[in-house]
Amino acid sequence: DAGVTQSPTHLIKTRGQHVTLRCSPISGHKSVSWYQQVLGQGPQFIFQYYEKEERGRGNFPDRFSARQFPNYSSELNVNALLLGDSALYLCASSIGPYSPLHFGNGTRLTVT
Amino acid sequence: KNEVEQSPQNLTAQEGEFITINCSYSVGISALHWLQQHPGGGIVSLFMLSSGKKKHGRLIATINIQEKHSSLHITASHPRDSAVYICAVRSETSGSRLTFGEGTQLTVNP
Repeated sequence: DAGVTQSPTHLIKTRGQHVTLRCSPISGHKSVSWYQQVLGQGPQFIFQYYEKEERGRGNFPDRFSARQFPNYSSELNVNALLLGDSALYLCASSIGPYSPLHFGNGTRLTVT
Repeated sequence: KNEVEQSPQNLTAQEGEFITINCSYSVGISALHWLQQHPGGGIVSLFMLSSGKKKHGRLIATINIQEKHSSLHITASHPRDSAVYICAVRSETSGSRLTFGEGTQLTVNP
């Protein structure tokens, strides 16, 4: 069975641009959550979706948005990129919102 | 003060040593996770626990809810255990949201 897959693996963008990151959960997992990990720090929670509804949102500006599709895959969108958005973006899936997490390998975003 | 504090921040050990990584938290929790992150970023979930103790191979995780403290132990450490170990908690009041510690960088030398 395939694990959590994220795309792209690496991305370079310019300040002010928009980016879309994608996540495909493990088959049968209905919950997807997104995390931002700045170099040298622990991950920070951004969003959680379960059954296509937002179940939680971290302390991130409105430039960050996400959605979950009927097949339970998810997109994270970031508008008006700032240098400080440079980070590893991790997606995790789980059967339910309180179940053990399975992480993808992340998307490394560099904003120049 | 962070809600989740880990110690030590960095740990260097010789192969075969017994290793302990500590995690303290300041909120009531419904679950605590121990995660392993290798260079390049991939994270593996090691344990999710809400009470007592769990064991998987050479890894043991314990939690004391009253003292708001958890430990991750590695017995007979090996260079392949070198990674960042991260503690994360799900608080009683934040639904399914996780709050992470800063991580402990473990290096095991042969």
